[in-house]
Amino acid sequence: QSALTQPASVSGSPGQSITISCTGTSSDVGGYNYVSWYQQHPGKAPKLMIYEVSNRPSGVSNRFSGSKSGNTASLTISGLQAEDEADYYCSSYTSSSTLLYVFGTGTKVTVL
Amino acid sequence: EVQLVESGGGLVQPGGSLRLSCAASGFTFSSYEMNWVRQAPGKGLEWVSYISSSGSTIYYADSVKGRFTISRDNAKNSLYLQMNSLRAEDTAVYYCAREAVTTSNFDYWGQGTLVTVSS
Repeated sequence: QSALTQPASVSGSPGQSITISCTGTSSDVGGYNYVSWYQQHPGKAPKLMIYEVSNRPSGVSNRFSGSKSGNTASLTISGLQAEDEADYYCSSYTSSSTLLYVFGTGTKVTVL
Repeated sequence: EVQLVESGGGLVQPGGSLRLSCAASGFTFSSYEMNWVRQAPGKGLEWVSYISSSGSTIYYADSVKGRFTISRDNAKNSLYLQMNSLRAEDTAVYYCAREAVTTSNFDYWGQGTLVTVSS
């Protein structure tokens, strides 16, 4: 079981929108609506931003939204702000015999 | 306020053992499934192990199966990870993470504890 595939980096200017993709297989992303997204600032613990593909936990800005099509999930950040600069990881439940959950490779978001 | 505080990390030689602890507070610990997730220096997140709320169901990543043991003490609001036969590739920050009810995601994380395996 390999990690879910994410772009290594995505950048945008303040106020713009960016989208991060997360590609898996029918055994994980495509097979379940248990895709979540995490934001991680340097030296800090990950923070849940999206769960079950498109749901936002209480307290998370509505500038963050999630979606899924087939084996690919996406996280969109609209109205990009300086504080959004961080690493982002997707995760999915998996039916793999070797794992219960699989994470994405991670995407560094840079605010220009 | 939900809090998860890991401890027990440190420097250990290859082949050695270490026991990590995670003290939980601010929620009914015995009602939640828990996980360990690790992150090697400069690398991404890797799921390590899961334990059900009662402790009756346990899963491990293949990379640690047979070497690591997850457990919990609901009376002490604590989660543990016993790590044996440690290898250099086990070097990472280890996070305990609470699994949200019915939604298969990690809604709260501890601050992490660093395990370094080196001679």
